[in-house]
Amino acid sequence: RKEVEQDPGPFNVPEGATVAFNCTYSNSASQSFFWYRQDCRKEPKLLMSVYSSGNEDGRFTAQLNRASQYISLLIRDSKLSDSATYLCVVNNEDDKIIFGKGTRLHILP
Amino acid sequence: NAGVTQTPKFQVLKTGQSMTLQCAQDMNHNSMYWYRQDPGMGLRLIYYSASEGTTDKGEVPNGYNVSRLNKREFSLRLESAAPSQTSVYFCASSEGDRGNSPLHFGNGTRLTVT
Repeated sequence: RKEVEQDPGPFNVPEGATVAFNCTYSNSASQSFFWYRQDCRKEPKLLMSVYSSGNEDGRFTAQLNRASQYISLLIRDSKLSDSATYLCVVNNEDDKIIFGKGTRLHILP
Repeated sequence: NAGVTQTPKFQVLKTGQSMTLQCAQDMNHNSMYWYRQDPGMGLRLIYYSASEGTTDKGEVPNGYNVSRLNKREFSLRLESAAPSQTSVYFCASSEGDRGNSPLHFGNGTRLTVT
């Protein structure tokens, strides 16, 4: 099993819809979790950290499920500007940072 | 604050040439990193530095050297460039120990080796 796995997509979603991504991780001792957004030909930028209790930032909600070893990102009322690649990042107990390969999202007008 | 600044933005090298990618951060971060990103491969760690004066190998260090000149600056050197090193290179920094705090990335350097 790969350390961090994401569905590469692309997800083609109409504007205004809700879309959800999952990211699975293999190391049950993983400690920190993040979602990054990367636009085409740009650097990754932190979208949100993922806390055990789940967290919400506007239209974005992140959840952590330790029992099943996955994190999720939910985007509500999607905008054209949400089109990007979303990277899942997991930090293991040995301080190793693992990046997923990303999920591509296309919001359709 | 500029955040993480990388230079150059673009570079074309011939096989066997050398070059240094520069990176500086003005956020007083302890940790700095160099990644490369290739299509279908995701981000792969080349080297990192947990603090000034220390450097460690990442996942793909072969063909590269680094130098943590001071707390602000972390450079990546290609001594003898190879076509396999054609990639987009990102420098990043983080406030605390590896992975406990989010990474802040520079704009990237697009390197082509012919």
